[in-house]
Amino acid sequence: DTAVSQTPKYLVTQMGNDKSIKCEQNLGHDTMYWYKQDSKKFLKIMFSYNNKELIINETVPNRFSPKSPDKAHLNLHINSLELGDSAVYFCASSQDRGRDYGYTFGSGTRLTVV
Amino acid sequence: QQQVKQSPQSLIVQKGGISIINCAYENTAFDYFPWYQQFPGKGPALLIAIRPDVSEKKEGRFTISFNKSAKQFSLHIMDSQPGDSATYFCAASSDRGSTLGRLYFGRGTQLTVWP
Repeated sequence: DTAVSQTPKYLVTQMGNDKSIKCEQNLGHDTMYWYKQDSKKFLKIMFSYNNKELIINETVPNRFSPKSPDKAHLNLHINSLELGDSAVYFCASSQDRGRDYGYTFGSGTRLTVV
Repeated sequence: QQQVKQSPQSLIVQKGGISIINCAYENTAFDYFPWYQQFPGKGPALLIAIRPDVSEKKEGRFTISFNKSAKQFSLHIMDSQPGDSATYFCAASSDRGSTLGRLYFGRGTQLTVWP
């Protein structure tokens, strides 16, 4: 059983398209995150939800919109994709703020915008 | 502004050697310092973590050394093995203040262990 699963694993799309990435966790955690990892492997937090409430909303273009239908799911919708959006997007989850057992990351979605 | 500074960016060590990765921070509100390990094609995974009430924590071949006064912490990998080849991230978080709930990552160290 995959603890944090993301779909799709790879996504190749043209500039200007709209795409979504889905994430599900079966760990019973109450907090979920989206991170962006660039080509230099830098991990940057984008959003965090705690029990479906948005608690972290970093400075990202408003073309990125997260949605958490329940505490086990967190999706990321991206409008009008740009070349600079190409990166690996990781979903993660934790119990509370992950200070006892850490974050559990998914395997990532490699987004390539052409 | 990079909240956690990590060095070196890359590290090559011979099998059996000691790998040392260093991190520094400025925010004195940070009170939880984990290290994550990431293999190619996978997400980062928690390796070991420390809180500032201790100066050292050891789990198997992995040791965190923490220097609160210098605001520095480091990861030591003893008897490094080729299977340890991965990217290592240090991180920090706080349970209070404006950084509440955020985990700040260093920029990562690509470790390669030669067989």
